[in-house]
Amino acid sequence: GAGVSQTPSNKVTEKGKYVELRCDPISGHTALYWYRQSLGQGPEFLIYFQGTGAADDSGLPNDRFFAVRPEGSVSTLKIQRTERGDSAVYLCASSLIAGAGNEQFFGPGTRLTVL
Amino acid sequence: SQQGEEDPQALSIQEGENATMNCSYKTSINNLQWYRQNSGRGLVHLILIRSNEREKHSGRLRVTLDTSKKSSSLLITASRAADTASYFCATASSGNTGKLIFGQGTTLQVKP
Repeated sequence: GAGVSQTPSNKVTEKGKYVELRCDPISGHTALYWYRQSLGQGPEFLIYFQGTGAADDSGLPNDRFFAVRPEGSVSTLKIQRTERGDSAVYLCASSLIAGAGNEQFFGPGTRLTVL
Repeated sequence: SQQGEEDPQALSIQEGENATMNCSYKTSINNLQWYRQNSGRGLVHLILIRSNEREKHSGRLRVTLDTSKKSSSLLITASRAADTASYFCATASSGNTGKLIFGQGTTLQVKP
């Protein structure tokens, strides 16, 4: 079956612009996670959703970052007034339900470059 | 913030040799997981070991967990060129979040 998909695969933008990154989870998965991975580092947690609600957004670096999941399926990560330090690969993952023992399936990521 | 550290940061071996990677973490965990990542993109789940387990096997993979030392190791036996990738450990705390805290990873190169 289809895995987690993310669009676009690459996004180049200029400093100060607004970007949206999209994640389509595996059908039927209720939990959705966003991570950010800088070059040479492991992924860092940003936010996760159980259903439509953001259950934990403690990893969002500041208020320029916002994510939504209005119908409990597709999620959009929104970054306002982008900065060069936002350049990274943004990874999305989904799992059947939220919980420590549930395997997360990752998408291929969106590589964001802020010039 | 990262949960812990992995060592070595980079490892280069010949095909057929075994590869061992280590991971240390800082806080109490529900489980520890290992992931593989090719070309800096999507992660593939390899194996999960729970906090009450000490060792687990899956094919050519062997994972150990020592909660008293807050450390884990991943052993890949009889390595193949296709095993070339970055390997990350990730910990999940108790509770319902499931959010993962990753280490910095080990880059493994297996030479044919």
